[in-house]
Amino acid sequence: DADVTQTPRNRITKTGKRIMLECSQTKGHDRMYWYRQDPGLGLRLIYYSFDVKDINKGEISDGYSVSRQAQAKFSLSLESAIPNQTALYFCATSDPSGAYTDTQYFGPGTRLTVL
Amino acid sequence: GDSVTQMEGPVTLSEEAFLTINCTYTATGYPSLFWYVQYPGEGLQLLLKATKADDKGSNKGFEATYRKETTSFHLEKGSVQVSDSAVYFCALRGGGGNKLTFGTGTQLKVEL
Repeated sequence: DADVTQTPRNRITKTGKRIMLECSQTKGHDRMYWYRQDPGLGLRLIYYSFDVKDINKGEISDGYSVSRQAQAKFSLSLESAIPNQTALYFCATSDPSGAYTDTQYFGPGTRLTVL
Repeated sequence: GDSVTQMEGPVTLSEEAFLTINCTYTATGYPSLFWYVQYPGEGLQLLLKATKADDKGSNKGFEATYRKETTSFHLEKGSVQVSDSAVYFCALRGGGGNKLTFGTGTQLKVEL
């Protein structure tokens, strides 16, 4: 089973709709991240969380919100989707301790299309 | 702020050719440097990393050396295979927080 899972894998929605993307992990990591990937722009950080009570904005948080329901779950919401939020969204986790402190582990991605 | 610049793609090579993908960075202090790879339809996965100057990261035949004097971390492989076709991202982790800054990615296509 995958360590980091994302649901849904693909979603098409309409402008103005609320949508939630979910991320779950079985790695036991405290730190979780949401990125979006756009062609020619690489990955950009939307939000990150270092534990259940610690949530921080990334470089492109406008139009997004997050919820850390538990250590293993980190959800990303678009309150009112707009077409320029069409992108590939990735969740990632990391462990601040141990031998692999710098490594982030990515989920398979959610492809979101806003019409 | 921190930034990563990598060569634009796509890079198209024949199987067994030599690969170089250039990456340079701007950061304060002493960042850790990474190469991540994204195979078609999948998420990113760590390919290799280096945490201090002159370190060489290596994995699956790929290598990259942390060059502080030129602020570079170029990815190389002596003989590419069709299965290496993917998008390669250079990234850095600056001081504090484990946040990564990514380059724009370089698509590699390897043909028979």
